[in-house]
Amino acid sequence: QKEVEQNSGPLSVPEGAIASLNCTYSDRGSQSFFWYRQYSGKSPELIMSIYSNGDKEDGRFTAQLNKASQYVSLLIRDSQPSDSATYLCAVIFSGNTPLVFGKGTRLSVIA
Amino acid sequence: EAGVTQFPSHSVIEKGQTVTLRCDPISGHDNLYWYRRVMGKEIKFLLHFVKESKQDESGMPNNRFLAERTGGTYSTLKVQPAELEDSGVYFCASSQGLSPLHFGNGTRLTVT
Repeated sequence: QKEVEQNSGPLSVPEGAIASLNCTYSDRGSQSFFWYRQYSGKSPELIMSIYSNGDKEDGRFTAQLNKASQYVSLLIRDSQPSDSATYLCAVIFSGNTPLVFGKGTRLSVIA
Repeated sequence: EAGVTQFPSHSVIEKGQTVTLRCDPISGHDNLYWYRRVMGKEIKFLLHFVKESKQDESGMPNNRFLAERTGGTYSTLKVQPAELEDSGVYFCASSQGLSPLHFGNGTRLTVT
């Protein structure tokens, strides 16, 4: 069974702080990892993709991947109230298999 | 570029009725996916079209669900007859090649 696990939260951080969102997955051979942000009633929006071990930075967002530990995280620096949303971790386990989502972590940034 | 559009945004039907959801992918995207989120659960894969062909329908819950993609453009997902457990948000997503998925805003289905 291919699974993606996330803490559902809510995760509350003060404005300006670093928010750290974590995700683990079940298949060591997985290749592609994504973070989506979803505001209430809206579509999931891709914010980061990562394919190899290490860090990938894009503006205030940093994705970190550790395939040996089967762990992927998302750091949001200088968190803003507008970052308050549900963050979905998603994994393509292999080849042409469909994207598998975690349940999402609800982030609340307090002004 | 227009995004993925879904219609209707909300649907409330009674148990036993039929509902048809529509998805218009981004123009030129060969891949079209249907996903569903049931309350409190993760977004789960239903099926994947490549153009008009069903590439993977392993996530379809049962034969009350029928998806079509005539001409490889828009897609419909019909639920007949609807049951209470079918309530949830149905998302459509599209992509071209190996590019990441773009999602629509979803259709919130409530079966009473």
